[in-house]
Amino acid sequence: EADIYQTPRYLVIGTGKKITLECSQTMGHDKMYWYQQDPGMELHLIHYSYGVNSTEKGDLSSESTVSRIRTEHFPLTLESARPSHTSQYLCASSDRGFNNSPLHFGNGTRLTVT
Amino acid sequence: GNSVTQMEGPVTLSEEAFLTINCTYTATGYPSLFWYVQYPGEGLQLLLKATKADDKGSNKGFEATYRKETTSFHLEKGSVQVSDSAVYFCALGSGNTGKLIFGQGTTLQVKP
Repeated sequence: EADIYQTPRYLVIGTGKKITLECSQTMGHDKMYWYQQDPGMELHLIHYSYGVNSTEKGDLSSESTVSRIRTEHFPLTLESARPSHTSQYLCASSDRGFNNSPLHFGNGTRLTVT
Repeated sequence: GNSVTQMEGPVTLSEEAFLTINCTYTATGYPSLFWYVQYPGEGLQLLLKATKADDKGSNKGFEATYRKETTSFHLEKGSVQVSDSAVYFCALGSGNTGKLIFGQGTTLQVKP
């Protein structure tokens, strides 16, 4: 059962549009993450947060932005979508350091920018 | 820096065959190691983990042993099923940040 929810599952949108990918978790986890998964299946961390009002850039540079106003909510926004943003975006959360708590992943949003 | 390298896929096996997916890592310090599985259309799920050298993680018939001397964490299963068809990711984490570095993923296809 999924305790971390991503919407929409699929999104096809035109170039230049602003989009927000939603991610919510009901587990009360402090740490949340956004990964970008390319067609070759590799995963790259693009954003993470250790708690409310905390956001950091990940290992892969991304034009997207995130916010963390509530513990349970970690939305990702693209101000102006481009075809290069076409990818699958996975949200994850964890309670403490991963030695004690694994990452819980949502089912992802598959974004296509035309 | 830290990195994870997995064997390239796809790996195609017949049902009940023995599975090995190789994973090697480069890291400073004493990382924790993980295997995640991604079924079609879903997110990743933790399959097993090991937090120190010589630890063996196991779950659902899968096993992996943390080998510090060979910097490896190979995934094995004695008898695969069609339902094991998925993409498998080896991952490394260090410190207590929760940030993981993933391998490139290995697709497993099991045929009846």
